[in-house]
Amino acid sequence: EAQVTQNPRYLITVTGKKLTVTCSQNMNHEYMSWYRQDPGLGLRQIYYSMNVEVTDKGDVPEGYKVSRKEKRNFPLILESPSPNQTSLYFCASSLVGTAYEQYFGPGTRLTVT
Amino acid sequence: KQEVTQIPAALSVPEGENLVLNCSFTDSAIYNLQWFRQDPGKGLTSLLLIQSSQREQTSGRLNASLDKSSGRSTLYIAASQPGDSATYLCAVSHNDYKLSFGAGTTVTVRA
Repeated sequence: EAQVTQNPRYLITVTGKKLTVTCSQNMNHEYMSWYRQDPGLGLRQIYYSMNVEVTDKGDVPEGYKVSRKEKRNFPLILESPSPNQTSLYFCASSLVGTAYEQYFGPGTRLTVT
Repeated sequence: KQEVTQIPAALSVPEGENLVLNCSFTDSAIYNLQWFRQDPGKGLTSLLLIQSSQREQTSGRLNASLDKSSGRSTLYIAASQPGDSATYLCAVSHNDYKLSFGAGTTVTVRA
């Protein structure tokens, strides 16, 4: 089944404790991206990647890191999480071109206390 | 900066009624427009994608139109069912790498 998977789905952590949220897709998509969704602010892009070893900042990259060492994986790293990073996080992927829709993962709900 | 607006924010209709969801955007130089469905606590499911050169797309009971010149898209859902209850999000892209999302319309279909 074609899908984007994220792990973990739920995470509660404390301020300053490094964490990684994994994202994997099995559709051979070049493009992958991370978004966060917050009430009243909607979905905002954090980072994106157009291919292996190519990453770039989205609208809200502060406090996050990403890497793209393999085409299928795009982990999101929070080196020192803070409470304002409490949010619902989505990974997305697609082929490149106007005809291609973005596929989203199921989401990771992160709480930082 | 692209602004995407969805009106109304919430909608409640009886089962069987047709749904009309509106999306407007400020920059008409779009790459494509995508409609998503989001169930509470769940991810986004792509419903329809309209390329900038297209005027509409259809899938089953869903039909989406695009008028770039006026900066509008409309999602029509025919003969609504309780299972259509969800939040519907409109997203616009100008390139290969970013979607700008509206805040969504939350739909409740009453049995």
